Amino acid sequence: DAKTTQPNSMESNEEEPVHLPCNHSTISGTDYIHWYRQLPSQGPEYVIHGLTSNVNNRMASLAIAEDRKSSTLILHRATLRDAAVYYCILRPYNQGGKLIFGQGTELSVKP
Amino acid sequence: TAGITQAPTSQILAAGRSMTLRCTQDMRHNAMYWYRQDLGLGLRLIHYSNTAGTTGKGEVPDGYSVSRANTDDFPLTLASAVPSQTSVYFCASRDSSGANVLTFGAGSRLTVL
Repeated sequence: DAKTTQPNSMESNEEEPVHLPCNHSTISGTDYIHWYRQLPSQGPEYVIHGLTSNVNNRMASLAIAEDRKSSTLILHRATLRDAAVYYCILRPYNQGGKLIFGQGTELSVKP
Repeated sequence: TAGITQAPTSQILAAGRSMTLRCTQDMRHNAMYWYRQDLGLGLRLIHYSNTAGTTGKGEVPDGYSVSRANTDDFPLTLASAVPSQTSVYFCASRDSSGANVLTFGAGSRLTVL
């Protein structure tokens, strides 16, 4: 399975944008890029996913490099409630939900 | 609110005893999963079920069994608990209608002494 590399931790100030990077240099052509986050004492929750094009939803934006070897999750205005561990995961198209979670990036947001 | 219900929320169990963690979903998702989460090891897949009547092994299946008698329920059983099974257990289901995203439950914290 292709692996992802994320920084262990990042800090942000409230109401500022946050760019969370993810490297996935061994990504295959059919791997989807998924992002989940896990708030303290909760289960992970889906944030966004994409294949080749940049994606936007109500929670975040996903910017995917042209060679697909890296991606960036963008939170446009961080709030205190965005403090969580963010996981970047590659999902092969034929592997259903057997997601392989890495260590993720722990995001702290300062008021 | 639709979603996944896990029970119990927390349990302390003596080593050697059996335990079943319950998971119920009301979203009619075909696929369901059990993960365990340990400090420094992230989330690891224990067992999964692509549809009612079928199950499969994940990364760390030893010491656990599952059954999938119907679409809604996916219990995880520890036949003879050991301290290394102390963990937080998350059940999830997958919406296969498009985005193939997982919905997770709130987790069950199990301590085996």
